[in-house]
Amino acid sequence: KAGVTQTPRYLIKTRGQQVTLSCSPISGHRSVSWYQQTPGQGLQFLFEYFSETQRNKGNFPGRFSGRQFSNSRSEMNVSTLELGDSALYLCASRIANDEQFFGPGTRLTVL
Amino acid sequence: GENVEQHPSTLSVQEGDSAVIKCTYSDSASNYFPWYKQELGKRPQLIIDIRSNVGEKKDQRIAVTLNKTAKHFSLHITETQPEDSAVYFCAAPRSGGSYIPTFGRGTSLIVHP
Repeated sequence: KAGVTQTPRYLIKTRGQQVTLSCSPISGHRSVSWYQQTPGQGLQFLFEYFSETQRNKGNFPGRFSGRQFSNSRSEMNVSTLELGDSALYLCASRIANDEQFFGPGTRLTVL
Repeated sequence: GENVEQHPSTLSVQEGDSAVIKCTYSDSASNYFPWYKQELGKRPQLIIDIRSNVGEKKDQRIAVTLNKTAKHFSLHITETQPEDSAVYFCAAPRSGGSYIPTFGRGTSLIVHP
C-alpha cells in the first residue's frame, strides 16, 4: 500500500499571501488530521476530517482552514500568511481511533 | 484538554547503554499511548504503543511501561545504537470522544558510537 503523500514538499511564500497544501491518505483511511510542527511548540494539532466533515479542531485562528474530498484527500489552506506560520505541516491518516500514519510533510517558509 | 509532559528534552548516551524517556498525562480516561520516532528530515513513525489494559509491552530492544495510577508511561531502549539517534515523541489522547493525540514536546536522543 502506498503511504501518506503530501504536496508540495517545500514552499516559500511572503507575508500576506495564502497557501494551499494537499494530503492524500493511505487507501481506505477516511480520517485525515493536520499538524503544525515547529521547534518551539512541537507538534500541534490543527484539525481532523472524517468523511468530508471536520470532526475535531485545535486552537488555531480562523486563517487556518481545511476540507476533505469524497476520495478522502484533504487540503489545508492558510490565508494572510504571517512569519510565525513558517513550519513543517504534517498530515496523518488512520482507520480507527489509534495508530496514525504520517506523511512526509510540507515545509512552509514565510518571508 | 489533555496535558502531556515529556522528559528529558535531550538525552545523550553511549552506544550500548539504555535510554529511558518518560511522559506524564492528565486525563485519566486516556487509554492509548503511542511513541513516535522522527529522524532528522523525516516523518514521525510509530515505534511502539500500549493500551491501558496492559502494563508493559516489548518489541526487541524497545519497551513501553504504563502506570495508570500515576498517569505516566515510559519508553525504554536497551543496547542503544547510533541509528537510534532521533527525536522521540509520546502522545496521549484528548478526552471527549474521537482520538486526537496531544504530543509531548519531544526528546532528542543522541547515541554516541
